[in-house]
Amino acid sequence: KAGVTQTPRYLIKTRGQQVTLSCSPISGHRSVSWYQQTPGQGLQFLFEYFSETQRNKGNFPGRFSGRQFSNSRSEMNVSTLELGDSALYLCASRSALAGLYNEQFFGPGTRLTVL
Amino acid sequence: DAKTTQPPSMDCAEGRAANLPCNHSTISGNEYVYWYRQIHSQGPQYIIHGLKNNETNEMASLIITEDRKSSTLILPHATLRDTAVYYCIVRAQGGSEKLVFGKGTKLTVNP
Repeated sequence: KAGVTQTPRYLIKTRGQQVTLSCSPISGHRSVSWYQQTPGQGLQFLFEYFSETQRNKGNFPGRFSGRQFSNSRSEMNVSTLELGDSALYLCASRSALAGLYNEQFFGPGTRLTVL
Repeated sequence: DAKTTQPPSMDCAEGRAANLPCNHSTISGNEYVYWYRQIHSQGPQYIIHGLKNNETNEMASLIITEDRKSSTLILPHATLRDTAVYYCIVRAQGGSEKLVFGKGTKLTVNP
């Protein structure tokens, strides 16, 4: 099975711009979660989507948003970029089968640099 | 905030066992202990999880103390490719899929 793919892998933007990152989960996985990783704050949960619905949201401002499509692919958007948004954005998918622990499979991430 | 405490760094000789400790003194009865690792510039990778019994899979063993307040991840024969940051996470199964990562332990396997 192909793993979780994220595009683009690297991105450079300037302050005030917006950005959209894409995540394709493992085939058959219906849950997609997003995380932000920075040297100062470490790995932080952004949000989780399941069957096109946001099920959980981390403590991030409204500039961070996401969505999930019917094929389980997900996008996250950051508007009005700030320097502090420079980070590695990781996407993780899981199968969400009931009654079992479904490990999260992480993609390689998108490295966003805001200048 | 993360509910676990781990040493910031550890070293291990190649071929020897690596024992990574984790304290989770406030763990609840329905919370499991999970271990993930992150090799440099890659996404985290699931290793193992357990509730109260010791667990073993092809990657590692997990030893949980009887009072469940601490655990140890054991890599039986560490290789250079095991150099990574190891995260210990406690989480209730069936609850939110949100993983709360602490700072983890940077394990360096030396030749």
